[in-house]
Amino acid sequence: SSELTQDPAVSVALGQTVRITCQGDSLRSYYASWYQQKPGQAPVLVIYGKNNRPSGIPDRFSGSSSGNTASLTITGAQAEDEADYYCNSRDSSGNHLGFGTGTKVTVL
Amino acid sequence: EVQLVETGGGLIQPGGSLRLSCAASGFTVSSNYMSWVRQAPGKGLEWVSVIYSGGSTYYADSVKGRFTISRDNSKNTLYLQMNSLRAEDTAVYYCARALYSSGSAAFDIWGQGTMVTVSS
Repeated sequence: SSELTQDPAVSVALGQTVRITCQGDSLRSYYASWYQQKPGQAPVLVIYGKNNRPSGIPDRFSGSSSGNTASLTITGAQAEDEADYYCNSRDSSGNHLGFGTGTKVTVL
Repeated sequence: EVQLVETGGGLIQPGGSLRLSCAASGFTVSSNYMSWVRQAPGKGLEWVSVIYSGGSTYYADSVKGRFTISRDNSKNTLYLQMNSLRAEDTAVYYCARALYSSGSAAFDIWGQGTMVTVSS
């Protein structure tokens, strides 16, 4: 399976920028996708592929990748961005998938 | 409207079996890669299984040999047959549509989830 590591928690002041990282060997071969999950709700895809946003996702969300690390950046964080964020990727076989350990984002 | 609706969760004793269903609307299950993802209470997301449009199936090591993913094209529905259930299988189970490319995989449509509790 794909082992992906994320920082457990980060905080950001309202309107400021926060970067969430995801590390794993599979990220040298595959892009990460990113999900936002609020309490009691299903996850929502926010970034996929090189840096693609599904329809309806604000452009303050962006993705990047370097080596074995993928990043999700929220530029100008809003109160409604407070949530858990998960990365996911295919593993080295390409057929199995895995999720990161998750990062809780607090907007101060 | 594009939508996934899971049913079939509940309380089951250890060693028991349960079948989850995921009814799709607005798109065709058999033309897409479909997956199950679970989330234990207070824990993170865990990928469980995927079925490709061509029919190939893959499983996480934690469920391999116990769970079976399948679909009914006539009902446009995805299933997860869960046997030999353990306490550690207790989780909310989500079905999701998976978008695959050569460089990535992403779950773009999720159901609301169905809770499975394995306890005596």
